[in-house]
Amino acid sequence: ELQLVESGGGFVQPGGSLRLSCAASGFSVTRNYMSWVRQAPGRGLEWVSTTYGGGTTYYAGSVKDRFTVSRDTSKNTLYLQMNSLRDDDTAVYYCATSATYSTFEFWGQGTLVPVSS
Amino acid sequence: QIVLTQSPSASASLGASVKLTCTLSSGHSKYAIAWHQQQPEKGPRYLMTLNSDGSHIRGDGIPDRFSGSSSGAERYLIISSLQSEDEADYYCQTWDTDIRVFGGGTKLTVL
Repeated sequence: ELQLVESGGGFVQPGGSLRLSCAASGFSVTRNYMSWVRQAPGRGLEWVSTTYGGGTTYYAGSVKDRFTVSRDTSKNTLYLQMNSLRDDDTAVYYCATSATYSTFEFWGQGTLVPVSS
Repeated sequence: QIVLTQSPSASASLGASVKLTCTLSSGHSKYAIAWHQQQPEKGPRYLMTLNSDGSHIRGDGIPDRFSGSSSGAERYLIISSLQSEDEADYYCQTWDTDIRVFGGGTKLTVL
């Protein structure tokens, strides 16, 4: 059974850093497309990043050069390192996976990141 | 730049059918999309991938009450025999080489 469990969310001040984790089970994070999608309070879904296999990673323009995705194959876990956080990064961050290039076939339950002074 | 446009809200009666629309921006009318459902206070759930010819593949466990169709730049999600648990936000989503894009979402109310 596929499972994605996000963790690491919590209050952070503007300019600060935070690392989110997405622990996967039932499949390998290196064999599937792995993505981060966020949702600001009361707003819609916003794609953040997608990574695959050999390490090719794409980022949304709003987070490029501030956020970095990595994987730990021994823990079958995906990470999102977030630096230089801003108020508008406040959101629930979802981890998602797919066997296909195009979409997000399975989602986690999300972790909340409030950025506030 | 790909833009997906959705109506902010829709409503339909219990047991009836509803058709939600997602419109692709100019120059992108042949793109396939995906539909995702987000029930209140829950994470999103993948419903289906919908091609420009109207063919679609539902996700695991998605009932056949959920179907899709296409016409030009418009992509539709049709939900039949509406149930109370279908009250949710519905997002369309598409992709290109290095980007994924969501529509603004439609909030469906089941009356």
